Amino acid sequence: QKEVEQDPGPLSVPEGAIVSLNCTYSNSAFQYFMWYRQYSRKGPELLMYTYSSGNKEDGRFTAQVDKSSKYISLFIRDSQPSDSATYLCAMRGVTDSWGKLQFGAGTQVVVTP
Amino acid sequence: KAGVTQTPRYLIKTRGQQVTLSCSPISGHRSVSWYQQTPGQGLQFLFEYFSETQRNKGNFPGRFSGRQFSNSRSEMNVSTLELGDSALYLCASSDRQPGQETQYFGPGTRLLVL
Repeated sequence: QKEVEQDPGPLSVPEGAIVSLNCTYSNSAFQYFMWYRQYSRKGPELLMYTYSSGNKEDGRFTAQVDKSSKYISLFIRDSQPSDSATYLCAMRGVTDSWGKLQFGAGTQVVVTP
Repeated sequence: KAGVTQTPRYLIKTRGQQVTLSCSPISGHRSVSWYQQTPGQGLQFLFEYFSETQRNKGNFPGRFSGRQFSNSRSEMNVSTLELGDSALYLCASSDRQPGQETQYFGPGTRLLVL
């Protein structure tokens, strides 16, 4: 079983809808949580970063971390066709090497006009 | 600041050859990590360098190696290429400052092994 589980999708939503993405993990030592967006044939782009538990909001994006359930979420409000991409969750523990992230498989999101 | 740059962007090689990929981190960032991305395995950690020293290595064979120079630029080398090495190779940099425990990725080098 992988340390980080993420449904690969695809997840299709109409323009303007809320996109809801999530990852579950098994390693209770994970403390740093990130969401990346990756367009086709491009490198991942950092969207959100959260340390430990709680919520964080940035524009149309909201990231949530529930460490008790080992569950993280990303919500995208007022989705646009330009949000169509693969969304990757990533995480690491405090004692892990700084540059070593564990990634989910990525969820492909399609926002239809 | 300019982002992470990687060269070349695309590469075609044949089995048995070797390849060297280059990565220039964001100015001021001293930590560089490399990842391999394939449709089947997703993003997998290769290795991490900080201050010219390898800090961590993923579960890849010894054919995969890397190094970091004094200006923080990094190279990775794959010897005796196999078909399964076809992938997008991504480099990421970070400045290792508290509150900035994130990595920023480059566009990647797409390697095709024939």
